[in-house]
Amino acid sequence: KAGVTQTPRYLIKTRGQQVTLSCSPISGHRSVSWYQQTPGQGLQFLFEYFSETQRNKGNFPGRFSGRQFSNSRSEMNVSTLELGDSALYLCASSKGTGGYQETQYFGPGTRLLVL
Amino acid sequence: AQTVTQSQPEMSVQEAETVTLSCTYDTSENNYYLFWYKQPPSRQMILVIRQEAYKQQNATENRFSVNFQKAAKSFSLKISDSQLGDTAMYFCAFTIYNQGGKLIFGQGTELSVKP
Repeated sequence: KAGVTQTPRYLIKTRGQQVTLSCSPISGHRSVSWYQQTPGQGLQFLFEYFSETQRNKGNFPGRFSGRQFSNSRSEMNVSTLELGDSALYLCASSKGTGGYQETQYFGPGTRLLVL
Repeated sequence: AQTVTQSQPEMSVQEAETVTLSCTYDTSENNYYLFWYKQPPSRQMILVIRQEAYKQQNATENRFSVNFQKAAKSFSLKISDSQLGDTAMYFCAFTIYNQGGKLIFGQGTELSVKP
């Protein structure tokens, strides 16, 4: 079974631009979560989706948004990019409704560099 | 506030020896799950082991085992017979029953296994 896939793997943008990252969960998985990883802040939760609905949201500004499609694939969007948005963005999927007891399986990440 | 503390930013161990990584966490909730993830240089986050807070028996997965002390809010990871492939960043994390799949991570411990 294929793992979580994320595209693109690497991205370079300039300040003020917007970016869309994509995540395809493991086949049969219905919940998708997104995390931002930076050297300074570590791993921080962005949001979680199940059945096309955002179930949970982390403490990020409104420039960060996401959505989930009927096939469970998810996208996240960052508008008006800032230098501090440079990070590794990780997507994770789980089998069920996204409950606390579920194991999340991570993708390889998208590395975003904002210049 | 719910937090995870990993007090050892870096550790090293000789191949075939045993090493223990420390983790303490803070939450006022009683229902939660604890996880250890490893992130090798490839950046792919991989689940090592998980533990349900209500289970007193410590989880084991082959060479990996945990020492879960609920009253002390401690969740250390022991790696036996260390292998070169164990070289990675190790993250301790937990999820809480009323916050869905939101993983709260520690800052990580960078483990180097030396030949």
